[in-house]
Amino acid sequence: GAGVSQSPSNKVTEKGKDVELRCDPISGHTALYWYRQSLGQGLEFLIYFQGNSAPDKSGLPSDRFSAERTGGSVSTLTIQRTQQEDSAVYLCASSSPGPRSGNTIYFGEGSWLTVV
Amino acid sequence: AQSVAQPEDQVNVAEGNPLTVKCTYSVSGNPYLFWYVQYPNRGLQFLLKYITGDNLVKGSYGFEAEFNKSQTSFHLKKPSALVSDSALYFCAVRDKSNYQLIWGAGTKLIIKP
Repeated sequence: GAGVSQSPSNKVTEKGKDVELRCDPISGHTALYWYRQSLGQGLEFLIYFQGNSAPDKSGLPSDRFSAERTGGSVSTLTIQRTQQEDSAVYLCASSSPGPRSGNTIYFGEGSWLTVV
Repeated sequence: AQSVAQPEDQVNVAEGNPLTVKCTYSVSGNPYLFWYVQYPNRGLQFLLKYITGDNLVKGSYGFEAEFNKSQTSFHLKKPSALVSDSALYFCAVRDKSNYQLIWGAGTKLIIKP
C-alpha cells in the first residue's frame, strides 16, 4: 500500500476484554515498530521486528501484551485482559531496508484504544 | 545514557514570525537526526532528517533544521509561521549502530493569528 495501514482506527472495549490491533506496513519494508502514546504525551517503544530475526520485545509493559508478525509483513498487537491504563493510541511504523541505517520510519494513523 | 531533550513543552509564535523548536541530544558518535510532526488525532508525519553532509537540512512545509555537532543540537526552524503549523513536534535520534530511535518528549507549537 501507499502508507502504513492500521486497524481499527478506534476501539472501545470493556475492562478485562482482549483486543487485537493490526498493522500493515509499507510494501517491502522489513523493519516494523510498535509504539504507545498516551494522550498528548511522548512515544513509548513497545516492540521491534526486523525480517526473520527475533523481535526486540523489551518495551512490552507486561505479559498481557504480545505481538507477532506473520510472513514478514502484517503485524498484530494483542492486549489481553485490558485495563484502563491501557487506554492510549497505539502507533505502528515501518522502514526499509534494515535496522542500522538512516532510513526514515513512517507511521500509520494509529489505533485509538479506550478501555471503559 | 543516550537522551534527547526538547526543553520547551510549548512554544507560542505569532503568525508570520519566525519559529524555532529546540532539540539537543546526547548520543555517541555521529547519529542520524529526525523531526516529526503530529497534528491533532493523527499519526506522526516525517518532516526532515540529517544523515550526513550539509548541516542545514530542508524538509516539508517550508521547515528546515540545522545540525550543530559542537552543541549537539538539531533545532527546527521556519522563517514565517502559519496558523496551520500548530501541532506537536518530536525530535528523534538514532545511533548508527542501533535500530532504536530515541525520542524527545515533544513540543507543542501554537501559532496565533
